[in-house]
Amino acid sequence: AQSVSQHNHHVILSEAASLELGCNYSYGGTVNLFWYVQYPGQHLQLLLKYFSGDPLVKGIKGFEAEFIKSKFSFNLRKPSVQWSDTAEYFCAVNRETYKYIFGTGTRLKVLA
Amino acid sequence: DTAVSQTPKYLVTQMGNDKSIKCEQNLGHDTMYWYKQDSKKFLKIMFSYNNKELIINETVPNRFSPKSPDKAHLNLHINSLELGDSAVYFCASSQENGYTFGSGTRLTVV
Repeated sequence: AQSVSQHNHHVILSEAASLELGCNYSYGGTVNLFWYVQYPGQHLQLLLKYFSGDPLVKGIKGFEAEFIKSKFSFNLRKPSVQWSDTAEYFCAVNRETYKYIFGTGTRLKVLA
Repeated sequence: DTAVSQTPKYLVTQMGNDKSIKCEQNLGHDTMYWYKQDSKKFLKIMFSYNNKELIINETVPNRFSPKSPDKAHLNLHINSLELGDSAVYFCASSQENGYTFGSGTRLTVV
């Protein structure tokens, strides 16, 4: 079955630590890839997206993600996290028009 | 200026009731969606409309009925509510790839 996997369900980091959240998908062919963030009590917001071109994508708030086609991965990174990065992070894949599949999310807690 | 707005934000109701959640977007997008986020934070698409036409209807009980009076609105009506319907429901819209989400409606069925 087609799926999006986020292997880290819960991540706890101290401020200034580096972050990497994994995302793998099982689709073949061309895909569009996204990371969304959901801050506590808020709605989902787009962090960054990849359609084509440079596989290293820069997003808002210092986040970046790297698309590695051979590994079917689109991992999210941030060199130095802040307490305000505490949130739920969702990877999503768009393959068919109008249809997006989300991963199960990774809950990040940053300790001050 | 809220891009995608949902009402109500919270909804507590008894089993068996019928309720509606409204969604409006002022972005001029052609496509709107309803997603359900369960207690484990799993997001699953329910419906998608493009220019008022239903284009995605995932495996959702037919107690759930979307209605799109125009491309700026996509409402969700739920009949005979069950305990398992308790979740956060997100409306979203898109024009190019990538969504804009509403703030969610937390539905609690008691």
